[in-house]
Amino acid sequence: DAKTTQPNSMESNEEEPVHLPCNHSTISGTDYIHWYRQLPSQGPEYVIHGLTSNVNNRMASLAIAEDRKSSTLILHRATLRDAAVYYCILRGGSQGNLIFGKGTKLSVKP
Amino acid sequence: DGGITQSPKYLFRKEGQNVTLSCEQNLNHDAMYWYRQDPGQGLRLIYYSQIVNDFQKGDIAEGYSVSREKKESFPLTVTSAQKNPTAFYLCASSISTGTGVYEQYFGPGTRLTVT
Repeated sequence: DAKTTQPNSMESNEEEPVHLPCNHSTISGTDYIHWYRQLPSQGPEYVIHGLTSNVNNRMASLAIAEDRKSSTLILHRATLRDAAVYYCILRGGSQGNLIFGKGTKLSVKP
Repeated sequence: DGGITQSPKYLFRKEGQNVTLSCEQNLNHDAMYWYRQDPGQGLRLIYYSQIVNDFQKGDIAEGYSVSREKKESFPLTVTSAQKNPTAFYLCASSISTGTGVYEQYFGPGTRLTVT
């Protein structure tokens, strides 16, 4: 399975944009890039996913590099409720389960 | 409201006892999963089921057992053979496992402490 590399932690100020990076240099052509986040003592929740093109939804944007070896999750205006561990995960075409790394712990300062 | 429920939220057991964790979903999803999370770590897959009456071992299935008699339910039994059962257990479901696209929906988790 292709692996992802994320910084252990990041800090942001409230109401400022946050860019969470993820490297996945061994990504295959059929791997989708998924992002989940986990608030303290809760189950993870889906944030966004993409294959090649940049994606936007109500929670975030996903910017995917042209060579697909890296991606960036963008929170446009961080709030205190966005403080969580963010996981970048690759999923292949027929793979069911999610393979979680340690993720990036995002702290948001008021 | 559709979703996944896990009960109880906290569970305490003595070493040597089997314990069953409940997971129910009303999302009409075919696929269900059990993950384990240890402090400061990501989630690891224990078992998953793609359809009723069928399930497969994940990466850390030893000491655990599951059943899938109904589409809505996927209980996990932590047996006395599991050497380090204290952990946070998370159940998830998705429409299917057929492609890499379908998102997984997670329950709130059960925190099991064995002493």
